[in-house]
Amino acid sequence: DSGVTQTPKHLITATGQRVTLRCSPRSGDLSVYWYQQSLDQGLQFLIQYYNGEERAKGNILERFSAQQFPDLHSELNLSSLELGDSALYFCASSVGGGGYQETQYFGPGTRLLVL
Amino acid sequence: GQNIDQPTEMTATEGAIVQINCTYQTSGFNGLFWYQQHAGEAPTFLSYNVLDGLEEKGRFSSFLSRSKGYSYLLLKELQMKDSASYLCAEADSNYQLIWGAGTKLIIKP
Repeated sequence: DSGVTQTPKHLITATGQRVTLRCSPRSGDLSVYWYQQSLDQGLQFLIQYYNGEERAKGNILERFSAQQFPDLHSELNLSSLELGDSALYFCASSVGGGGYQETQYFGPGTRLLVL
Repeated sequence: GQNIDQPTEMTATEGAIVQINCTYQTSGFNGLFWYQQHAGEAPTFLSYNVLDGLEEKGRFSSFLSRSKGYSYLLLKELQMKDSASYLCAEADSNYQLIWGAGTKLIIKP
């Protein structure tokens, strides 16, 4: 158990809908990262927040947005969902803003199925 | 852009040794991570190298050559539970992780 929690574990929804995924980092960690992993694909970095502020952006679609709250939990909002958005969404956390030898610890993921 | 290259799939026999290679671009390098990911589960941290040489942790070892932009993960005394994907990730000049596509390791009895 990494100490990173994600809810829900599974989500089934329809095309065009909007969903929110939630992540709580490990105690003491200030950074949260979001990743998308489609079936048998590699990890695609979406976005990083550090202490409430956006720190880095990856291949995040305009239909997707995220935020980090004062208690450091984070939410990833996915809207106008398409079939291709079906994937595992992982959240990871690290102690700082991303620096020397800083390890990311991953949550168990949310499996999203868009029908 | 930066590319991380690792083999897509490897097969090995239980009890044997396997080496999974990873190459990366050397500009702005700030370390190389290896993660293990079982199917449908979260990646878990295995090792981090920033200096040249071999780091040993039990059955798993990781090697780095910065001049060659090359790393490998060595797994000894393979067990069936080692069947997983192994992800290589480079920390770039901004300490952002650049991820490889992963190597799926299949262990046969």
